[in-house]
Amino acid sequence: DAKTTQPTSMDCAEGRAANLPCNHSTISGNEYVYWYRQIHSQGPQYIIHGLKNNETNEMASLIITEDRKSSTLILPHATLRDTAVYYCISENRDDKIIFGKGTRLHILP
Amino acid sequence: DVKVTQSSRYLVKRTGEKVFLECVQDMDHENMFWYRQDPGLGLRLIYFSYDVKMKEKGDIPEGYSVSREKKERFSLILESASTNQTSMYLCASSPWTGGRGTDTQYFGPGTRLTVL
Repeated sequence: DAKTTQPTSMDCAEGRAANLPCNHSTISGNEYVYWYRQIHSQGPQYIIHGLKNNETNEMASLIITEDRKSSTLILPHATLRDTAVYYCISENRDDKIIFGKGTRLHILP
Repeated sequence: DVKVTQSSRYLVKRTGEKVFLECVQDMDHENMFWYRQDPGLGLRLIYFSYDVKMKEKGDIPEGYSVSREKKERFSLILESASTNQTSMYLCASSPWTGGRGTDTQYFGPGTRLTVL
C-alpha cells in the first residue's frame, strides 16, 4: 500500500498560486492520487483525483510526475477561505482511503 | 449535490451510556464509512459497509458496532461509552467502483462527542 509524505504546514499569500507537494514513491500502477481538504470544524471535502494525466477542475489542478512518485496540487488564486488542512492520498484498499496528517495551509492576507 | 447528514453536531454523554450516532446519505451510494478524528492522529477508519446489512471492520473497531438496515442510513453504536471515545466522528459515503479503485468519498459535517 502506498504511503504519502506531505509538509506539515505551508503559507501562501492571498491571490497567489498555492502549490502543495506530495510524495508517493511507493504508489502502484492502479492506485489513484486523491486530494481532500478539511476546513476547521467541517468534514473533509473532495478536491480532485488523478491516475497518470494532469487534471483540472473548478477548484484546483493536479500535476502528477511522469514516474507517478509525486504530485502537486495547485490552487491558482488562493483566497482566505482556502485556509485548511490538505490531504494527499494514494492508498487503495478495497475502496478504503487512508488519510495521513496532511498539510496545514495558511493563506495570508 | 450529494448530502451526508449526521444526527447531531455536538453530543455530551456519560461514561457507560449507550450512544447512537446516525448518518444518512441521499445519493444512493453503496459504501458508507465511519471515522474518528483526533488531534495528531488524523482520520481513522472505524467501520465501513459495502451494502445493506454488510459491515467490515476498519482500523479501530474496538468499542464500536454498526448497523446498516437501509441503504441510506449507517449507524455507529458505542455500547458503553468511555472517556477515550471523546472525539470528532465523521461519516462518509461513496459509490461502488466495482474494484476500479477508491472513488470520491463525501463527508458529513461531523459529530463532536464528549464522554464525561
